[in-house]
Amino acid sequence: NAGVTQTPKFQVLKTGQSMTLQCAQDMNHEYMSWYRQDPGMGLRLIHYSVGAGITDQGEVPNGYNVSRSTTEDFPLRLLSAAPSQTSVYFCASSYSPAGNTGELFFGEGSRLTVL
Amino acid sequence: TQLLEQSPQFLSIQEGENLTVYCNSSSVFSSLQWYRQEPGEGPVLLVTVVTGGEVKKLKRLTFQFGDARKDSSLHITAAQPGDTGLYLCAVGSSNTGKLIFGQGTTLQVKP
Repeated sequence: NAGVTQTPKFQVLKTGQSMTLQCAQDMNHEYMSWYRQDPGMGLRLIHYSVGAGITDQGEVPNGYNVSRSTTEDFPLRLLSAAPSQTSVYFCASSYSPAGNTGELFFGEGSRLTVL
Repeated sequence: TQLLEQSPQFLSIQEGENLTVYCNSSSVFSSLQWYRQEPGEGPVLLVTVVTGGEVKKLKRLTFQFGDARKDSSLHITAAQPGDTGLYLCAVGSSNTGKLIFGQGTTLQVKP
C-alpha cells in the first residue's frame, strides 16, 4: 500500500520559474492538504480540499494554486517561484476531517530550493 | 500570532531522563492531536485527545488534555534515543478537515 506519494523529492528552481508538485493517494481519502515546513515554524497549511472539485485556502496560500479534479490527486502549482518559497512541502490526506477523529497521513516531503 | 504555542522549542537531554513538552492556546478546542516527525519523513500521528482532563498513555508517553480544553502536555518517562524527533501538536476543524499545527518541539535524546 503506497499511501501518499509525492514527486519530485528534490527540486531546484530559478526565481520566476513555475513548477508543479505532484501528490497522489491510494486510500480513497476525501480530505487532502498541502503544508510547508520551515525551521522553527512547524507546518503551515497552504491549501486544502474536502473532495474532488472543492478547494480552499489555508494560512499561507499566496503564490500557490491547487486543483482537485480526482479524489486521488492534489497537485500544488508554484506560479512564479521566489526565494521565500524555499521550503519542504508535505502533502497529506485523511479519511475523515482531521483533528477530530481523522488521522492525517503524510507523504515523505518535497524539498524545494529557489535560487 | 500563533494559534498554538509549543514549549520548549528545543530540548536536549540524556537517555533515562524524564521530560514534559507543552502545547498552549487561548482558544478552546474540541480535540487535539500530537504527531511525531523523524528527519526526512512526514509526521505520524501519536494520539488524539477529545475530553477535557483526558489522559492517554502510549508506552512511556503520557498525553493530557487540559480541563478547559485549551492546552495539552506530553510527558516522556525514561527517554530513549529512539524518542528523538520533532513533536507537533495540532488542532482541526470537524467540518473542513483543516488541521493547524504548532511550531513544534525538537527533542534530542543522547545515549
